Amino acid sequence: DTGVSQNPRHKITKRGQNVTFRCDPISEHNRLYWYRQTLGQGPEFLTYFQNEAQLEKSRLLSDRFSAERPKGSFSTLEIQRTEQGDSAMYLCASERGGHDTQYFGPGTRLTVL
Amino acid sequence: GDSVTQMEGPVTLSEEAFLTINCTYTATGYPSLFWYVQYPGEGLQLLLKATKADDKGSNKGFEATYRKETTSFHLEKGSVQVSDSAVYFCALLGNAGNMLTFGGGTRLMVKP
Repeated sequence: DTGVSQNPRHKITKRGQNVTFRCDPISEHNRLYWYRQTLGQGPEFLTYFQNEAQLEKSRLLSDRFSAERPKGSFSTLEIQRTEQGDSAMYLCASERGGHDTQYFGPGTRLTVL
Repeated sequence: GDSVTQMEGPVTLSEEAFLTINCTYTATGYPSLFWYVQYPGEGLQLLLKATKADDKGSNKGFEATYRKETTSFHLEKGSVQVSDSAVYFCALLGNAGNMLTFGGGTRLMVKP
């Protein structure tokens, strides 16, 4: 396994701009998760895919957030009209279905000025 | 809903000291329990897990036992090293869904 990869690792943007992050899961992992981690806190669940289907979304995922996994492999998370409160680490994790263990990527740190 | 409570840090220990980081949880049914570790500048790494009551997870000298009667999953290590300095997160995977619910994390600092 090459591990979960995320790009970019860091993103600085101005308030009101749109940003997009990418996650490449471990190959053959059919489940993919997005979490958000603010400074000094534990990660909070945002959304979850099984293959290409988005099965669950958190209340944290406002209508400015959208996630896709078009071919059941990599996933993108887009934030429109960013706000300073969106500044956080965005973590992606993948799991082989039924194994109950999620493997995390290094995260994308977003700073909104 | 599901929740996880960890002892607040930072926890500062001398090398070779005994470590305990407390974790308690609230969940319906029979969740799976995890400890993840986050080293400075890195992502979360799975440290150990337990999937049913009385199971003991262990890895790299760390241990935690799933205690359903006390809804706890305390992390222990007999002799810590400087390289164990990191933030430790307790988490549960509940029956209601597939997302992990994390505690707030406990920072461990080990001094030589």
